[in-house]
Formats: sequence, C-alpha cells, structure tokens
Amino acid sequence: SQTIHQWPATLVQPVGSPLSLECTVEGTSNPNLYWYRQAAGRGLQLLFYSVGIGQISSEVPQNLSASRPQDRQFILSSKKLLLSDSGFYLCAWSPLRGSYNSPLHFGNGTRLTVT
Amino acid sequence: DAKTTQPTSMDCAEGRAANLPCNHSTISGNEYVYWYRQIHSQGPQYIIHGLKNNETNEMASLIITEDRKSSTLILPHATLRDTAVYYCIVRVPRYSGGYQKVTFGTGTKLQVIP
Repeated sequence: SQTIHQWPATLVQPVGSPLSLECTVEGTSNPNLYWYRQAAGRGLQLLFYSVGIGQISSEVPQNLSASRPQDRQFILSSKKLLLSDSGFYLCAWSPLRGSYNSPLHFGNGTRLTVT
Repeated sequence: DAKTTQPTSMDCAEGRAANLPCNHSTISGNEYVYWYRQIHSQGPQYIIHGLKNNETNEMASLIITEDRKSSTLILPHATLRDTAVYYCIVRVPRYSGGYQKVTFGTGTKLQVIP
C-alpha cells in the first residue's frame, strides 16, 4: 500500500532563517506531488505541484520554493523565512496514471511557527 | 472547477446520523463531488466521491440530488472521533499525465456531542 511521510511534525524557526521540509511517498511510482499551506482558521492553499522529477509549478508568488530531486521526494524550501510563512504545511500525492478520478492523499503535515 | 458552499459549523449527537450539506449550483456535467475531512492537526483524509449516483463506502454515504446542484454527506452513526472539518469539493478529473489542482474552502466544522 502507498504511504506518505512528512517531517518534521513541528518546527519553530526565527525570522530570516532557512527552511527545508521534506516529503516522501512509498508504494507508488511517478506520482503527482503537491505542497499546500493552511493558515490558522483558513482553507488549504495550493502552493506547488509537480508531475515529474525537476518539474515544478507554482500556484502563488511567495517566499518559498519547491524541488523534486527524486521521483517520490518533494522538498519545500525557503532561504529566509518571514513571519507570514507560519502555518500548517501539507504534502499530498495522487496517481499520475491509473484511475483518472483518484483522490488526493495527504501526509500529516508540518506545523511551522516563525518567531 | 465549480465553487461550493457549506455551513460553517454543525453539531451532532453521538450515535445519531450526521448530515452535512453542500451546494454546488454551478457544477458542470463532468465534475465529480469529493468529500474530505480534516481532524485537528492532521492532514485531510479522503472520504468518498461521486458523479451522479449515490455512493456508499465503509465511512459514509454520499447523496447527490438529481440536478447535481447539491449533495449531502451522511455519517450514519457519528462518534466523537468524527469531530472534524469536512470539505466538499467539485472538480473535473484529470486524465493520465495531468495534474489535479484541488482547491479547498473552509469546510464545515462538525462537532459530535456526547
């Protein structure tokens, strides 16, 4: 069966520090990968998606970047964090092929607090 | 993808059926209705989806009106563990090689009361 892992679960970082959040998927090949952010009391905002290694699309302009160095690895980064980067970050995957109406599968998220 | 409207919050007594409504009046013919839920501090969990027929799985039932402009998620016997935010989403399924841009609103916060 497929599983998705995100780490760390919680993170407290000072303003101006770098960020690296990692997400890996097991049990599937060539997945679509996504990064979402959820601010307190808000809905989920799609940040990035990727359909393959090195292929990243950004949905909103921001202080963050994403990379996909391996097929099942997705990394969210920042060179200098802002207070507004605080939030709950979620990685998700969906099958690239197969059932065309397959749902998204989410990890358990990383709660980032920028101080 | 069509926009959805859900009540902000609902309460349900433990053991009773929880009926969560969703309006999607601008839904198009090839858009599916999906339901997810998010338990506090966890990632969203897929529950069920459907196109026009009613659907049932081990978690819930999905009732879609004949005109497809609204739907209801039914949790037949709500438990305290069903307390969560429930998201209704409509979207066009993406075919092989395509990505799936899924937009989540703020959903319905369901509180199951002992």
